[in-house]
Amino acid sequence: QQPVQSPQAVILREGEDAVINCSSSKALYSVHWYRQKHGEAPVFLMILLKGGEQKGHDKISASFNEKKQQSSLYLTASQLSYSGTYFCGTGSGGGYQKVTFGIGTKLQVIP
Amino acid sequence: NAGVTQTPKFRILKIGQSMTLQCTQDMNHNYMYWYRQDPGMGLKLIYYSVGAGITDKGEVPNGYNVSRSTTEDFPLRLELAAPSQTSVYFCASSYSMGVSYSNQPQHFGDGTRLSIL
Repeated sequence: QQPVQSPQAVILREGEDAVINCSSSKALYSVHWYRQKHGEAPVFLMILLKGGEQKGHDKISASFNEKKQQSSLYLTASQLSYSGTYFCGTGSGGGYQKVTFGIGTKLQVIP
Repeated sequence: NAGVTQTPKFRILKIGQSMTLQCTQDMNHNYMYWYRQDPGMGLKLIYYSVGAGITDKGEVPNGYNVSRSTTEDFPLRLELAAPSQTSVYFCASSYSMGVSYSNQPQHFGDGTRLSIL
């Protein structure tokens, strides 16, 4: 089942912070985050695995709450280059675990 | 390394025509995938492969076929093109030593934009 992302779209001014949420109705093994700029391929940001870890690099980080079956992506002090659509992908347990992607959150950073 | 290469980048087909979307990767990844992306719908898995000679259906396999004769190549075949297959198609690959691939990042090609008229 497709994970639910919120918000669907957000506009930020440079320097502002944003949080993108991803929730699933199924028990999760992993959560992927990707960013896609218009007309380009999705680019991998990070993976969080079962265990409730938090990851991050530069000013982008993410958390994974497996009990709540949720992940959140945190973008701090946003830059123009952060603009794009952010997708979460969730992996569930059992066999060849498939990754199911949400419909995305469109983020626009303006000067 | 070129990563994941898809050809063609753009194509217009007539209803009922057939074509093959090519995908090749040079990272020695064992897993490969085909997705389609429609506006506002995210990425839907069409087919995936866990290694040469092994393929399996994803969420939306109807109207498509795949084969995986080598580690590098994973072509997607449309036999009888229909307007509903107008979409952007992405090929991706990843590496996993175990049966699970959901704990490894996927590397995407630049996509093929396909219109069927």
